[in-house]
Amino acid sequence: QKEVEQDPGPLSVPEGAIVSLNCTYSNSAFQYFMWYRQYSRKGPELLMYTYSSGNKEDGRFTAQVDKSSKYISLFIRDSQPSDSATYLCAMRGGTSYGKLTFGQGTILTVHP
Amino acid sequence: DSGVTQTPKHLITATGQRVTLRCSPRSGDLSVYWYQQSLDQGLQFLIQYYNGEERAKGNILERFSAQQFPDLHSELNLSSLELGDSALYFCASSVAGGTSGGQETQYFGPGTRLLVL
Repeated sequence: QKEVEQDPGPLSVPEGAIVSLNCTYSNSAFQYFMWYRQYSRKGPELLMYTYSSGNKEDGRFTAQVDKSSKYISLFIRDSQPSDSATYLCAMRGGTSYGKLTFGQGTILTVHP
Repeated sequence: DSGVTQTPKHLITATGQRVTLRCSPRSGDLSVYWYQQSLDQGLQFLIQYYNGEERAKGNILERFSAQQFPDLHSELNLSSLELGDSALYFCASSVAGGTSGGQETQYFGPGTRLLVL
């Protein structure tokens, strides 16, 4: 079993929809939680960064972390065609230096 | 543009060969990471260097090696290549390499696409 599980999708939604992306994990040592966005043939870029449990909002994006359930989510409001990309969750422990453990990635397509 | 550069962008080679991938981190970043991205395994951490020293090791094969030079650029050497080594190889950099105990962003380069025939 992988340390981080993420449904690869693909997920297809109409423009303006609310998108929910999720990851579950098994390693209790994970303390830092991230969401990266990766466009086709590009490197991943950081979208959201959260420490421990709680919510964080940035524009149309909201990240949620529930450490008790080992579950993290990313919500995208008012989705746009430009949001079409692969979304990767990533995590690291407090003592693992910078090593990130990624989910498989969810392919999202937003239709006009 | 993340500020991390990688060369070459594409590499096509044959089984059994050896290749070198190069990465230049963002200005001011001391830590460099290498990741491999394949369809079946996803994005996997290979190795991390911090200011010239190896800091952490992941699922890196013995046929693979890396180093970080005094000017902080890094090279990933892949030898005795197999078909299964075909993948995207990403380099990322960060300021302190996870030693600060706080949030620290890793910035990814555009990747090198390796095809082993």
